[in-house]
Amino acid sequence: DTAVSQTPKYLVTQMGNDKSIKCEQNLGHDTMYWYKQDSKKFLKIMFSYNNKELIINETVPNRFSPKSPDKAHLNLHINSLELGDSAVYFCASSQDPGTLSYEQYFGPGTRLTVT
Amino acid sequence: GQQVMQIPQYQHVQEGEDFTTYCNSSTTLSNIQWYKQRPGGHPVFLIQLVKSGEVKKQKRLTFQFGEAKKNSSLHITATQTTDVGTYFCAGPGNSNSGYALNFGKGTSLLVTP
Repeated sequence: DTAVSQTPKYLVTQMGNDKSIKCEQNLGHDTMYWYKQDSKKFLKIMFSYNNKELIINETVPNRFSPKSPDKAHLNLHINSLELGDSAVYFCASSQDPGTLSYEQYFGPGTRLTVT
Repeated sequence: GQQVMQIPQYQHVQEGEDFTTYCNSSTTLSNIQWYKQRPGGHPVFLIQLVKSGEVKKQKRLTFQFGEAKKNSSLHITATQTTDVGTYFCAGPGNSNSGYALNFGKGTSLLVTP
């Protein structure tokens, strides 16, 4: 069984559309994340979600909104897509961090292309 | 979070040559993690270093954490084509980021036979 899964793997859409990416983890982790990887492979944190507490990277536009129906799921909804949103989006999960760091398990990624 | 700088950005070696990537921070890191991302794939955890001066080995890979806990390196001995990919170091985040990792920009390794 895949530890962290994402759907879809590829997403091609036009500017202005609204889209969602789904993420599920079966590891029993308390914390889930969304990262954006740009064309230069830079991995940047977008959101962290732990025990119903959402931490938002202040640089993320409010067109992006995470939604967590339960501990195993953290979906990403994007409104009014722009060309600059084209990137690979990775979902990840880990044990509850804090004073310790734990390894993060990444999903396979969703390659979003906005035309 | 504790930002990390990583060099080089790219490295192209012949199979059998050694490879090293370096990670530096201006502040002391409580720990550092290393990840590998194959082309078209996702980051996969390799190792975490916690102690000052720590050295860990995984087959041909040697990971070091500096005495001051401000730098780290990953050395691959006798590279193989299966080593191709991007290697990331990551420092720990803080409460402001929900403790998400702060990734370096990665070193992309290309190995030609």
